Amino acid sequence: GAVVSQHPSWVICKSGTSVKIECRSLDFQATTMFWYRQFPKQSLMLMATSNEGSKATYEQGVEKDKFLINHASLTLSTLTVTSAHPEDSSFYICSVLPPRGQGSTEAFFGQGTRLTVV
Amino acid sequence: AQSVTQPDIHITVSEGASLELRCNYSYGATPYLFWYVQSPGQGLQLLLKYFSGDTLVQGIKGFEAEFKRSQSSFNLRKPSVHWSDAAEYFCAVGANFGNEKLTFGTGTRLTIIP
Repeated sequence: GAVVSQHPSWVICKSGTSVKIECRSLDFQATTMFWYRQFPKQSLMLMATSNEGSKATYEQGVEKDKFLINHASLTLSTLTVTSAHPEDSSFYICSVLPPRGQGSTEAFFGQGTRLTVV
Repeated sequence: AQSVTQPDIHITVSEGASLELRCNYSYGATPYLFWYVQSPGQGLQLLLKYFSGDTLVQGIKGFEAEFKRSQSSFNLRKPSVHWSDAAEYFCAVGANFGNEKLTFGTGTRLTIIP
């Protein structure tokens, strides 16, 4: 069964509005989650590392005020795209890393969210 | 900084034929290497991974990959492809313990013809 649940699978929003994407870890408590962005026919680019109980770490070039990340619990991280514009249209994927000591070094990925801003 | 190169953007093979997808990496220490598969509109599924030990790694769905340090390569192979193998394949390298932060290659799209 799924280890990571990402919701919604797809969303269409108007330009200027905000969109929230949820990433839930179903099988374990995750102190660390990752958010990736994938443009059509391109690779995944890491946007930020979400840390439970602390501020997210953003990659260079990613606007932290535009892509708000909240990791309020050990099983949920949210990515909010604020004041979305058409250029934010993309495929967003979250990834969950099990805590160390659980015997797994595999990151599990959500099914992704297709965001279309019109 | 770590990087991954997948030289082939698109590969077409006949069903039943063998497959090899190329991956070259650049990393200053012992790399943690992965192959993921992505079906259209879906997330990523791990095929296999290499951390240490035997350089020939077996994965799911009949895939295997061989780590060659001298060539900085981690090519993915399958002896006989099935139509269901059509997808996008990503090679990735991770840092530190496991794959805390992954750097992905640009991907190779695999098309299977009857």
